[in-house]
Amino acid sequence: SQQGEEDPQALSIQEGENATMNCSYKTSINNLQWYRQNSGRGLVHLILIRSNEREKHSGRLRVTLDTSKKSSSLLITASRAADTASYFCATPLQGAQKLVFGQGTRLTINP
Amino acid sequence: ETGVTQTPRHLVMGMTNKKSLKCEQHLGHNAMYWYKQSAKKPLELMFVYNFKEQTENNSVPSRFSPECPNSSHLFLHLHTLQPEDSALYLCASSEDRGDYGYTFGSGTRLTVV
Repeated sequence: SQQGEEDPQALSIQEGENATMNCSYKTSINNLQWYRQNSGRGLVHLILIRSNEREKHSGRLRVTLDTSKKSSSLLITASRAADTASYFCATPLQGAQKLVFGQGTRLTINP
Repeated sequence: ETGVTQTPRHLVMGMTNKKSLKCEQHLGHNAMYWYKQSAKKPLELMFVYNFKEQTENNSVPSRFSPECPNSSHLFLHLHTLQPEDSALYLCASSEDRGDYGYTFGSGTRLTVV
């Protein structure tokens, strides 16, 4: 079953601008994770935010979590061409050793 | 390199062939996973192994057969596949239940002809 859904499905911005991607999920979680995937490659773990956290930073990445709205956002500041990739949110399914992914946001950074 | 190595990177096989995908991790993780990624579909979890024991089989057809001889190695044996099985097959590993995130390999791009 699909737990997380990203929005928008595709996003195209100019280099240097900020990119914001959103994720909504359905059930209670103890953490939410964001991953990046370059075309045809494996996923890279970016950041994990726990259910008792509201905001987390890692370099140019900022993640927020609103458990009341069951949503999270990933902000990439001062985007670069190398940030072009697909971004996925993922949540562990409670009671199962299963990380469930959304369909992803395809981000394109134009030079 | 992520510490999770998948071979081969690309594989083309006929529907009557038998082939195997290999995954190896050098991270000391105890859990390993197979995911399937098809075009325009979310990643689908196929199998989960924890300390070499299979803990999840996500209703995967029997033409996919996993094997986990130890916590560092994971195989996916393939036989009599269908063209719709063409996809990117991703292996991942994690500490315990993955509450600190998963580490993925680069995947095997499988084409069934």
